[in-house]
Amino acid sequence: GQQLNQSPQSMFIQEGEDVSMNCTSSSIFNTWLWYKQDPGEGPVLLIALYKAGELTSNGRLTAQFGITRKDSFLNISASIPSDVGIYFCAGLYGGSQGNLIFGKGTKLSVKP
Amino acid sequence: DVKVTQSSRYLVKRTGEKVFLECVQDMDHENMFWYRQDPGLGLRLIYFSYDVKMKEKGDIPEGYSVSREKKERFSLILESASTNQTSMYLCASWDSYNSPLHFGNGTRLTVT
Repeated sequence: GQQLNQSPQSMFIQEGEDVSMNCTSSSIFNTWLWYKQDPGEGPVLLIALYKAGELTSNGRLTAQFGITRKDSFLNISASIPSDVGIYFCAGLYGGSQGNLIFGKGTKLSVKP
Repeated sequence: DVKVTQSSRYLVKRTGEKVFLECVQDMDHENMFWYRQDPGLGLRLIYFSYDVKMKEKGDIPEGYSVSREKKERFSLILESASTNQTSMYLCASWDSYNSPLHFGNGTRLTVT
């Protein structure tokens, strides 16, 4: 079946550093979504990407839809303690509402 | 803003009990989803619905059923709860392929 490989699985960074994470697949996707989940909460949408090559920012966050449509990355600039959490990518393929798959997440921890 | 509301944040049930998890969305979305989230396994789709009274099995439907009698409400039913159904359950709703999936805050279910 379809799979998304999200990396890294976890990372510790110093406050103020930039962060980069990505999702890759051997399959082609029509949409990429990036979410953040705080402990005990549901995932919150950060950025949605709908076209190959699209680069979108949301504050300190920037995400890109890869040209090959098989990957996407998320960058966080100048990280702060509240960036701690788990970041998920999700990719939509095919024509059915059920064809949305998720990466396993990147757990971000920031040292103050 | 889209609002997806799950009726309970925390539930504790006994093995064999019938359990209802309720989800309501306020944006007239056609599509609604139930996922479970477990450490190391990520988000897994249980069932989804693309219209009232319509339902489709996801990746792990065994032990679950769903009900969509009204467009805004999607219920997940555990006919006879078991300890391996202890998990975080997330409801989500979705308008179309050019819009993102929105999640509720989750229900953490413990079956003892």
